[in-house]
Amino acid sequence: QKEVEQDPGPLSVPEGAIVSLNCTYSNSAFQYFMWYRQYSRKGPELLMYTYSSGNKEDGRFTAQVDKSSKYISLFIRDSQPSDSATYLCGGFSGGYQKVTFGTGTKLQVIP
Amino acid sequence: GAGVSQSPSNKVTEKGKDVELRCDPISGHTALYWYRQSLGQGLEFLIYFQGNSAPDKSGLPSDRFSAERTGGSVSTLTIQRTQQEDSAVYLCASSWDRRGYTFGSGTRLTVV
Repeated sequence: QKEVEQDPGPLSVPEGAIVSLNCTYSNSAFQYFMWYRQYSRKGPELLMYTYSSGNKEDGRFTAQVDKSSKYISLFIRDSQPSDSATYLCGGFSGGYQKVTFGTGTKLQVIP
Repeated sequence: GAGVSQSPSNKVTEKGKDVELRCDPISGHTALYWYRQSLGQGLEFLIYFQGNSAPDKSGLPSDRFSAERTGGSVSTLTIQRTQQEDSAVYLCASSWDRRGYTFGSGTRLTVV
């Protein structure tokens, strides 16, 4: 079993929809969680960064962490075609420890 | 520089040859990481360097893989006697705090 599990998709939604992307993890030591967005043939870029359980909002994006169930979510409101990309979730225990990533979910927002 | 720079962006090599991939991190970033991304496999950790500490090599898949970081800045990932299964995108990232990495655009390695 991978430490971070993520449905690979693809997930297709119409423009304007609310998108929910989810991951589960198994390592109880994870304290920090992040979401990256990766466009085709580009490096991943950091979208959201959260510590421990709770919600964090940034514009149209909300990251949610539930440590009790080891569940990580990213919500995208009013999705746009420019949101079409692969979304990677990751977790790590702290300091400069390596981030363990899921395999990524490919999202397509249809105009 | 403004971002993490990786070179070459693409590399095609023959099976059995050695290759060197270069990463130039963001100035001042003390931590540097190498990951490998294969189709359907996600991001696989290879190695990381933090300041003057011994590198964490726990993700290197075999002794054909090695990496060094000179002067706390530029890093080179070397793959000896390349195999077809080494074909992947090799991503470098750097960081100066806990708030996530900045990735480069990667080197796409194809072993023929």
